[in-house]
Amino acid sequence: KQEVTQIPAALSVPEGENLVLNCSFTDSAIYNLQWFRQDPGKGLTSLLLIQSSQREQTSGRLNASLDKSSGRSTLYIAASQPGDSATYLCAVKGGNQFYFGTGTSLTVIP
Amino acid sequence: GAVVSQHPSRVICKSGTSVKIECRSLDFQATTMFWYRQFPKQSLMLMATSNEGSKATYEQGVEKDKFLINHASLTLSTLTVTSAHPEDSSFYICSAGKSRTDTQYFGPGTRLTVL
Repeated sequence: KQEVTQIPAALSVPEGENLVLNCSFTDSAIYNLQWFRQDPGKGLTSLLLIQSSQREQTSGRLNASLDKSSGRSTLYIAASQPGDSATYLCAVKGGNQFYFGTGTSLTVIP
Repeated sequence: GAVVSQHPSRVICKSGTSVKIECRSLDFQATTMFWYRQFPKQSLMLMATSNEGSKATYEQGVEKDKFLINHASLTLSTLTVTSAHPEDSSFYICSAGKSRTDTQYFGPGTRLTVL
């Protein structure tokens, strides 16, 4: 069964810093990998989707990479802002199912 | 972009009652929808896969007689928590995608509190 792990579990950085969130998965047979943002008590907002044939995707200050063979993905956030504070979840899609990571709780300090 | 809605957003009920949660894809058709449960400070756990016109597929450990799923149309799936108990209190989220490789669009979630 696919297992998805995210490191670190929590991260606190001062505003303006660049940061990297990590996601690892055990089974490389995936369709795609998706990064989400979740604000407290809210649903999920999709940030970036990387298909299994792709190596990275970029959207604004966000860049996500995928190394399927090693079972790893990173989410890079440039010039962090207090509004980036949230929990970030990665999820891999294998077959018809999504497997979610445990999440990284990010706090950006003004 | 595609939108998935859930209703209600929050529900409080007494122990022993049943609660129905709706998940709708507003501007696209979804043959498959997914139901997740999220406990505080934990990640999302897939409960079941809802298939339009056929029975849902439940994950191991999820009671199909307790969590009834109906996918009556290509835009609506419902989750009914029967005889709810306090341990069923959780955040329930649904998702849908246009195709197998497409982005999954998530509903805003339903906060269920069972007293």
